[in-house]
Amino acid sequence: RKEVEQDPGPFNVPEGATVAFNCTYSNSASQSFFWYRQDCRKEPKLLMSVYSSGNEDGRFTAQLNRASQYISLLIRDSKLSDSATYLCVVNLDRGSTLGRLYFGRGTQLTVWP
Amino acid sequence: EAGVAQSPRYKIIEKRQSVAFWCNPISGHATLYWYQQILGQGPKLLIQFQNNGVVDDSQLPKDRFSAERLKGVDSTLKIQPAKLEDSAVYLCASHFKGQTIPDTQYFGPGTRLTVL
Repeated sequence: RKEVEQDPGPFNVPEGATVAFNCTYSNSASQSFFWYRQDCRKEPKLLMSVYSSGNEDGRFTAQLNRASQYISLLIRDSKLSDSATYLCVVNLDRGSTLGRLYFGRGTQLTVWP
Repeated sequence: EAGVAQSPRYKIIEKRQSVAFWCNPISGHATLYWYQQILGQGPKLLIQFQNNGVVDDSQLPKDRFSAERLKGVDSTLKIQPAKLEDSAVYLCASHFKGQTIPDTQYFGPGTRLTVL
């Protein structure tokens, strides 16, 4: 079983739409959680951390459910520039160093005009 | 602040040839990672260094891949001999616990390797 499972999509939505991505992780000892964004032929870039209380950054809202080992990302009022692959990432912290990051395969989003 | 630097950006080689990639992490970042990202998949960790020591190389194919970080700063990843299935993007990332907000890894632009 993979450490992080994501629906690969693709998701094709019109501008202004709301879209939600989900992922699940297998290791209950996971300590920290992130969403990264990866544009075509570019490196992954951190989009936002995910906290148990839920967190929001502008049009983006992330949620974490530790009991269900489930992470979500909601994008409201989609823009053309949101077109990218969204990677769900979990980490097993190792104290003084950052543990291995486990990446999902990514969910591809295309926003059309 | 300068980001993670990698070179070359692209490399095309024939199978059974050797290739080396170079990475310079963000200044002061003690932890350095090499990832392999095959098309359509998420990055997969190959090796993790803490300063000049290896923390995790459990997924590094040691029969053909090697990596070093002799002075605890920049690092090289080598493949010898290359196989067709090594075609991928090789990403370097770095981290210094507690120094960045959020506390996570930051990636270089990657080296796109094509093995013919």
